[in-house]
Amino acid sequence: DAGVTQSPTHLIKTRGQQVTLRCSPKSGHDTVSWYQQALGQGPQFIFQYYEEEERQRGNFPDRFSGHQFPNYSSELNVNALLLGDSALYLCASSLGLALAFFGPGTRLTVL
Amino acid sequence: RKEVEQDPGPFNVPEGATVAFNCTYSNSASQSFFWYRQDCRKEPKLLMSVYSSGNEDGRFTAQLNRASQYISLLIRDSKLSDSATYLCVVMDTGRRALTFGSGTRLQVQP
Repeated sequence: DAGVTQSPTHLIKTRGQQVTLRCSPKSGHDTVSWYQQALGQGPQFIFQYYEEEERQRGNFPDRFSGHQFPNYSSELNVNALLLGDSALYLCASSLGLALAFFGPGTRLTVL
Repeated sequence: RKEVEQDPGPFNVPEGATVAFNCTYSNSASQSFFWYRQDCRKEPKLLMSVYSSGNEDGRFTAQLNRASQYISLLIRDSKLSDSATYLCVVMDTGRRALTFGSGTRLQVQP
């Protein structure tokens, strides 16, 4: 049983560009959450998707948007990249309120 | 003030030592509590859930004090493989999102 998978593993972009990160949840999980982890910090909640809708959102600007597909996979889009968007982006999946499992993350570097 | 605050690290301890991490949280609506472990450049992994009655898993003991909004993790007989960052995590069930502390780095030395 594959766990949570994310792609790509690493990405380098320049300021102003747009990026799309992808996540496939663990089999049987219907809820996907995205987190941003800056160097030396704990993960910060971006948003959560359930039944293809954004259900909860953290304190992130509208430049951060997402989508969940019928197969429960999800995308995180970031527009107009800033240097401060450089971070490890983590996807976590869960079944309802059950415990979340994290994927290996995508490391984004913005130059 | 951060929602979840942890002891500043790093903690450098010899093998076999006992080490304790502390954490406080500010949101009294928090209903679930966890310790996660994160190895360098890896994803966080659940170490254990934390209950008011206290719970133990081998060398690890976690405790929750709801009145003081305080969470602790005790590691006995430290191993080299315990070297990692330990993240204190709370969840407000209504929001269904995890709130992480900044983490405390533990380095166990031979």
